[in-house]
Amino acid sequence: DVKVTQSSRYLVKRTGEKVFLECVQDMDHENMFWYRQDPGLGLRLIYFSYDVKMKEKGDIPEGYSVSREKKERFSLILESASTNQTSMYLCASIPRGLENTEAFFGQGTRLTVV
Amino acid sequence: SQQGEEDPQALSIQEGENATMNCSYKTSINNLQWYRQNSGRGLVHLILIRSNEREKHSGRLRVTLDTSKKSSSLLITASRAADTASYFCATDKGTYKYIFGTGTRLKVLA
Repeated sequence: DVKVTQSSRYLVKRTGEKVFLECVQDMDHENMFWYRQDPGLGLRLIYFSYDVKMKEKGDIPEGYSVSREKKERFSLILESASTNQTSMYLCASIPRGLENTEAFFGQGTRLTVV
Repeated sequence: SQQGEEDPQALSIQEGENATMNCSYKTSINNLQWYRQNSGRGLVHLILIRSNEREKHSGRLRVTLDTSKKSSSLLITASRAADTASYFCATDKGTYKYIFGTGTRLKVLA
């Protein structure tokens, strides 16, 4: 079974802190994604990566950056956390291939910024 | 930007009844997928339907796709309390950049 693991289920950080959310997948997938999920807004794409060291902005990249130094790991960085970044963060991975395929999600990280 | 919009936003039914939820999207797609999310957890893939397919079944799930109306529906037959979850549609234009809708919250009462 594909496994996507996010480093924390729950996280509480202070305003202004630099926050790292880590995501690791064990199935050699090329594509990895970070979403945030808020009530009434569904999932919104923050950043995605097609390969090591490659990244592209999603719909709401402001206030975030990412790092993909190794294929299995995709990190989301909040440079200076703010209260409006309190949210559920979901990581996903998708293999590259000729056939359309499903996204595999981590269990989510619920981040609270106080 | 959100491509998919599900309706209803919330649905409450009795165990054994069928649940139907709908998804509308705005642009052409390669495929459409449905996902389920239990409270406070990640999403789990349920079923994928390609743009050249009109209907697909998987167990108690039936998905239809109407590309002329840019809409899809998910039917869960003989619902169970364990089906209580949020359900999301996701569309893909072939770029792996899946766009998710806002979800339907389903509650199945025992």
